[in-house]
Parts: sequence; C-alpha cells; structure tokens
Amino acid sequence: AQRVTQPEKLLSVFKGAPVELKCNYSYSGSPELFWYVQYSRQRLQLLLRHISRESIKGFTADLNKGETSFHLKKPFAQEEDSAMYYCALGGGSNYKLTFGKGTLLTVNP
Amino acid sequence: EAGVAQSPRYKIIEKRQSVAFWCNPISGHATLYWYQQILGQGPKLLIQFQNNGVVDDSQLPKDRFSAERLKGVDSTLKIQPAKLEDSAVYLCASSFGTLPGELFFGEGSRLTVL
Repeated sequence: AQRVTQPEKLLSVFKGAPVELKCNYSYSGSPELFWYVQYSRQRLQLLLRHISRESIKGFTADLNKGETSFHLKKPFAQEEDSAMYYCALGGGSNYKLTFGKGTLLTVNP
Repeated sequence: EAGVAQSPRYKIIEKRQSVAFWCNPISGHATLYWYQQILGQGPKLLIQFQNNGVVDDSQLPKDRFSAERLKGVDSTLKIQPAKLEDSAVYLCASSFGTLPGELFFGEGSRLTVL
C-alpha cells in the first residue's frame, strides 16, 4: 500500500527565514516522489519531482530512501511562497499518484 | 495551450439527488484522472482512464459513482444518489502518458450536498 504523511497541517515562517516542509512515505517498491503546490485561487500544479533533481523557485527536495522522506526546502522564504503544498507518491502497477493531506505555508512579512 | 476544462464549477444538491461533472482534458493527453478532495484532505484518486479504458477504479464507490470517457477524450463523472459525505471538490486531471509524471489539473467542481 502507498501512504504519504505530511505531519504539519500549518507552517508559518517570516520572510527570509529557511523553510522545510516535511513528507514521509510508505511504499515497498521504488517510489517516485513529487511536490505539488496550489496558490490561492489557482489550480493545483507540479512544483518539482525527485527524478529531475532540479530547483524550482528556489525549492529543492532530496529523496532519502533510508528515512523514507522527501522534505521540501528553501533557504530564504518569500511572501509569494505562501500556498498549500502537497507531497505525492507515484507507484504501483498502474502508477497511482497518492497525495498527502497537505501543508499550508504562510510566509509573513 | 488550453488547460483542463471542468464544469460546472459549483453545484448544490440535496441528498439522494444525482449530479454529473464534465471534464475536457488537454488535447493529446491520453490519461485522464478524477480525484475527490474533501475539505482538509489531499486529493484521492477515484478513477484513472488510459484513452477510453479504465486503468484504476479501486477507490470509486461503484454503488453510487460512475464515470465514462467515450471516444477517449472528454469524461463525465456521475453520482447517483448523492450522500452528505460526497460534499467535496472533484478534480479532473490529465497527463500525456501512463506514468504519473506531470498531471495538469482543472479548477475543480465544488459539490455541496444538503
């Protein structure tokens, strides 16, 4: 079974502070991990995927198979980063994408 | 390019009534998904189509929910009869291939069951 856990429902930081959104997963196979983001009044959209090992809008995420984690990090948060962030796991014979419950990030001025 | 289109955006019905949601994916996207997002939770996959065939419907409550994707393009999700717990946002998404990759989501259809 696939399971994604985002332990923080809410996360509030000040502008310029580092931010880390936690994601842990449970999956017996080889996982593909993603971060999706939903800004206010916008559609849910892909932020980044672990395969690409890219930095998008200053965010990075490293897959740690030993700790089964895929935490999202940014060294200096900006107000425009305020949004709902969902961690997602792709796997299974049909490559089902399973989402966590999400973390609402608020970056205060 | 045009995004995933969904309608209606909002629907209010009474329990035991029926409702249908429509989705038109991005042109050329073979895979179409319907997700249910209950307030405070992440999206939950209801059904996944590859062209006009069902790939996964393991979490679709088949006694009341049905979905079809005729001709492998647009899709309809129906609920009959609706229950109070069906109140949610129904998200349609599409992707180019069968692997999850990048899903493109619609704006969603918000259902309120009274």
